[in-house]
Amino acid sequence: GAVVSQHPSRVICKSGTSVKIECRSLDFQATTMFWYRQFPKQSLMLMATSNEGSKATYEQGVEKDKFLINHASLTLSTLTVTSAHPEDSSFYICSARHAGTSGGRNTYNEQFFGPGTRLTVL
Amino acid sequence: RKEVEQDPGPFNVPEGATVAFNCTYSNSASQSFFWYRQDCRKEPKLLMSVYSSGNEDGRFTAQLNRASQYISLLIRDSKLSDSATYLCVVNRDDSWGKLQFGAGTQVVVTP
Repeated sequence: GAVVSQHPSRVICKSGTSVKIECRSLDFQATTMFWYRQFPKQSLMLMATSNEGSKATYEQGVEKDKFLINHASLTLSTLTVTSAHPEDSSFYICSARHAGTSGGRNTYNEQFFGPGTRLTVL
Repeated sequence: RKEVEQDPGPFNVPEGATVAFNCTYSNSASQSFFWYRQDCRKEPKLLMSVYSSGNEDGRFTAQLNRASQYISLLIRDSKLSDSATYLCVVNRDDSWGKLQFGAGTQVVVTP
C-alpha cells in the first residue's frame, strides 16, 4: 500500500515547450502533495505544496506562473513546466502525505515519494 | 548556513563493518526527524524516523541530540546493498508536513 506513481518517468523536450508531469496516489487519498526538484549532487528542494481543491503554495523563489500546479482530485496532482528552458532540466519528484496505516505500520503523516521525472530541456 | 547539513562523503566501508555519520540542523524548533535512503537516480525512501530517545531498526540505529541539534545514523554489519546516499530530513516549523532535506551522505560498502 501507499504507492505513488509519476508520469512520465523521463521527458526530453525543446526549449520553449511546456511539459506536464502527473503524480498519482494509487491506493490512498492524499489531500496534500508536495513537488520537489533535485539537481545533481544537491538536496531535494521543495517547490510547492499542493492541496486538493485549493491553490498551491509556492516556496520563495519558485515562479508560480512558470510551474503550474493543479490538484484536482484526492489522488492526482499535476505540475506543468511552462516555456521550459535548459536551466529547468532537473529531477522532479512528488510526494503524497498519507495518514493511516500501510502494511500494518502506522504511517501517520509519512510522505511517500513518486519515482521521479527526469526532465531534459534541449 | 544551510538548514540541514551533512558530510557528503563518500564513506567507504568494508562489508560487515560499522559506519556512522551525523547531520546538523539549524532550526531549533524542528520537531520531526527522519533518515531517508536514496539510490542513484531514484526517489528517496524512508529508512526510519528518529525519536527523542533514540531508536533502532535492525542494523540501523538513529540518535537525536536536541541540545547540539544533530542526528546520527549508525549502520552495523554493513551489507553491499546498504550502498546508497542517506538523506537527513527535518520538518520545517513553519508549516506542518513540509520537509527540509540535507544533500545526503554517500555510503559505499565494498566486498
